[in-house]
Amino acid sequence: SQELEQSPQSLIVQEGKNLTINCTSSKTLYGLYWYKQKYGEGLIFLMMLQKGGEEKSHEKITAKLDEKKQQSSLHITASQPSHAGIYLCGAADYKLSFGAGTTVTVRA
Amino acid sequence: DAGVTQSPTHLIKTRGQQVTLRCSPKSGHDTVSWYQQALGQGPQFIFQYYEEEERQRGNFPDRFSGHQFPNYSSELNVNALLLGDSALYLCASHRRTHNYGYTFGSGTRLTVV
Repeated sequence: SQELEQSPQSLIVQEGKNLTINCTSSKTLYGLYWYKQKYGEGLIFLMMLQKGGEEKSHEKITAKLDEKKQQSSLHITASQPSHAGIYLCGAADYKLSFGAGTTVTVRA
Repeated sequence: DAGVTQSPTHLIKTRGQQVTLRCSPKSGHDTVSWYQQALGQGPQFIFQYYEEEERQRGNFPDRFSGHQFPNYSSELNVNALLLGDSALYLCASHRRTHNYGYTFGSGTRLTVV
């Protein structure tokens, strides 16, 4: 099955600063999802990437999938308290396989 | 347009008991997947239902079973509950012909005491 490794496991960022989360796969990614989760709640869809080199942005969040389709990054520009939460990457096969998640804390 | 609906939101059960969790998929979706998320971990795939049959299954014991109804809604049943079954249970739906567009519910928090 698909193994996804996320880094860092957690990070604390000062409000207004940028942050980057990485997601590395043991196999070629044919569909890579990014979700955000508030503690104990459901997953909120952020973006999906399918093509090598693809980049998508929504508001202050940008996600990229590398040309080899084995690594993705999620970048948040000028972080705000609303960006705090757990970010999960998921690989689409016949199901979604998830990384362990990255916990983001934004300090005012 | 209602998204994925799960019930109940919280549940407390005693070891050895049985529990049933329910999920209504997003309108237009025909495939339902269930995930277990332990504290501090990513969601783990339990199984997936399509056309009222279990199509794929993750590494979970037979104590975990499910059902899908003609209206695409689904149930997750767990028998002989263990303390380790305490987790957030998430339901996700999508359209079979599109291997994307997974939509998640808010989850059911199960606590086994």
